[in-house]
Amino acid sequence: ILNVEQSPQSLHVQEGDSTNFTCSFPSSNFYALHWYRWETAKSPEALFVMTLNGDEKKKGRISATLNTKEGYSYLYIKGSQPEDSATYLCAFRDNYGQNFVFGPGTRLSVLP
Amino acid sequence: DSGVTQTPKHLITATGQRVTLRCSPRSGDLSVYWYQQSLDQGLQFLIQYYNGEERAKGNILERFSAQQFPDLHSELNLSSLELGDSALYFCASEGGDSYEQYFGPGTRLTVT
Repeated sequence: ILNVEQSPQSLHVQEGDSTNFTCSFPSSNFYALHWYRWETAKSPEALFVMTLNGDEKKKGRISATLNTKEGYSYLYIKGSQPEDSATYLCAFRDNYGQNFVFGPGTRLSVLP
Repeated sequence: DSGVTQTPKHLITATGQRVTLRCSPRSGDLSVYWYQQSLDQGLQFLIQYYNGEERAKGNILERFSAQQFPDLHSELNLSSLELGDSALYFCASEGGDSYEQYFGPGTRLTVT
């Protein structure tokens, strides 16, 4: 059974703080790593799909890095805003295509 | 609005019954994924279809089946329903080379 872990489980920051979360996944048979943002009562929204070791992706104030050799990805949010409050999920896909496993998520609350 | 539609929004049914959930992907997207989110579990990947063919299978029970039709809409069939099948069922479509997934609004199934 593949294990995808995320830390921390939850995080409370002040508006304007920068923050980062970690996603750990198996370092073998890597195909892709997805990041999603999931607001309460809404559907998950794709943030990034990362496929190459050393990938760095950026969307506005949010960026992500990928290390497939050691099996981790970081998600960074610069200057957090209250609207960034959500659960951030990562999901690992292996290259057999049979496994698409989600982490438990990091719940971020940004206090004004 | 992601462009992915799911019907119905809510469904209440009794144990032992069978239901069909429907998903229409974004225009041009060939791939459809189905996910389940139960109260006590995170997001679980069930199954993926690509252009009418099953592409990958995750934690899908034998009582569940899916298919993708020539017009690319997909249906998830859940039979012999149990109380534990109560969950939010999402579909997502994926197109092109980006691997980005676009989630529908979900169908909330309640089994009583």
